[in-house]
Amino acid sequence: AQSVTQLDSQVPVFEEAPVELRCNYSSSVSVYLFWYVQYPNQGLQLLLKYLSGSTLVKGINGFEAEFNKSQTSFHLRKPSVHISDTAEYFCAVSVWMDSSYKLIFGSGTRLLVRP
Amino acid sequence: NAGVTQTPKFQVLKTGQSMTLQCAQDMNHEYMSWYRQDPGMGLRLIHYSVGAGITDQGEVPNGYNVSRSTTEDFPLRLLSAAPSQTSVYFCASSYSFYSDWTGGLGNTEAFFGQGTRLTVV
Repeated sequence: AQSVTQLDSQVPVFEEAPVELRCNYSSSVSVYLFWYVQYPNQGLQLLLKYLSGSTLVKGINGFEAEFNKSQTSFHLRKPSVHISDTAEYFCAVSVWMDSSYKLIFGSGTRLLVRP
Repeated sequence: NAGVTQTPKFQVLKTGQSMTLQCAQDMNHEYMSWYRQDPGMGLRLIHYSVGAGITDQGEVPNGYNVSRSTTEDFPLRLLSAAPSQTSVYFCASSYSFYSDWTGGLGNTEAFFGQGTRLTVV
């Protein structure tokens, strides 16, 4: 069965510090990988996605993620965070099963940026 | 461009009541889905649709019904509300690049509505 694991439920970090949010997935088939961000009381919006090609993917707001097939990981990074990055971040995989693609989410990581 | 619109934003129900959560998209997307978001559990798929007239169950379908009579609308019905259905519900849609009816999210971006916060007392 496919699954997505986000090991950290909450990551506190000081403003302008670097951050890494971890994501591991399990799948025996090819997947597409996504990171979504949810600001308070809002829906989810796409940060970045990996489909194929270069394993380093750049997204919006200065975020990037690296796909590592051997470690089945897709960690999200930002070299210098801002207060406005405080939000919940979801890793997701899109896998083909039961005649359709399904988007499977991790449990989320709450990024708390402190001044 | 409205994107994905969900109504209502908030709702309180009594146990046993029924209601319909509305979802509409104006992007001509083939694929639509409903998720529920619970603390520490991420988003779990309730039902999805790959096109008008076609729906299927997701991970947690019990207690919910859906229909897809048009491309634009994908309502979620709670048949007899229970406290365990207290959650935040999100509708999502995406455009499929696949020409056959089995197209889904695939490698395309999913667009989410703002969510409906439902409390069942």
